[in-house]
Amino acid sequence: DAGVTQSPTHLIKTRGQQVTLRCSPKSGHDTVSWYQQALGQGPQFIFQYYEEEERQRGNFPDRFSGHQFPNYSSELNVNALLLGDSALYLCASSSPGPGETQYFGPGTRLLVL
Amino acid sequence: AQRVTQPEKLLSVFKGAPVELKCNYSYSGSPELFWYVQYSRQRLQLLLRHISRESIKGFTADLNKGETSFHLKKPFAQEEDSAMYYCALSRYSGGGADGLTFGKGTHLIIQP
Repeated sequence: DAGVTQSPTHLIKTRGQQVTLRCSPKSGHDTVSWYQQALGQGPQFIFQYYEEEERQRGNFPDRFSGHQFPNYSSELNVNALLLGDSALYLCASSSPGPGETQYFGPGTRLLVL
Repeated sequence: AQRVTQPEKLLSVFKGAPVELKCNYSYSGSPELFWYVQYSRQRLQLLLRHISRESIKGFTADLNKGETSFHLKKPFAQEEDSAMYYCALSRYSGGGADGLTFGKGTHLIIQP
């Protein structure tokens, strides 16, 4: 099991463009969470998907949207990119329920110019 | 809203010395607290959580609800402990799969 995988590893975009990041969860996991980690900061929770629906959302604008597919993989979409969206985007997967923990992927580093 | 504070960006100690990484939180409910670690060129991984009351790699952390703290301790630091450490909070007990609130992290350096 490769664990949580993310693609691409690096991405460069310009202001105003749109970006899609992808995540495949660890085998056996059905819940995917996305986090944004700016330089020198801890990860910030964006949202979580379970059963193909957004279950929880952090304090991020509507420019950030997501999707979960029947195979539990997920996409994070960011529209109208701003310079401040430059960050490492982390995906974490888990099973729902008490006692479960999140397993993190290696992240996608996004640079907005 | 919940908040996690790690007051030290950088902590440098000598091998064999005791280590304490500080974490304070603010949340009105009954949260669950975690420590995550990121070793160089590796992904973020769970170190320990307060409800399991385990000692992992010699590290322990006790939840002090009165002081709203969850400090991470190890009596004798080893060079392989050098890493970035993040304290994190879930809004409810057993909420390991919940959206987590992280602190900004402490970079621990163990000097030989």
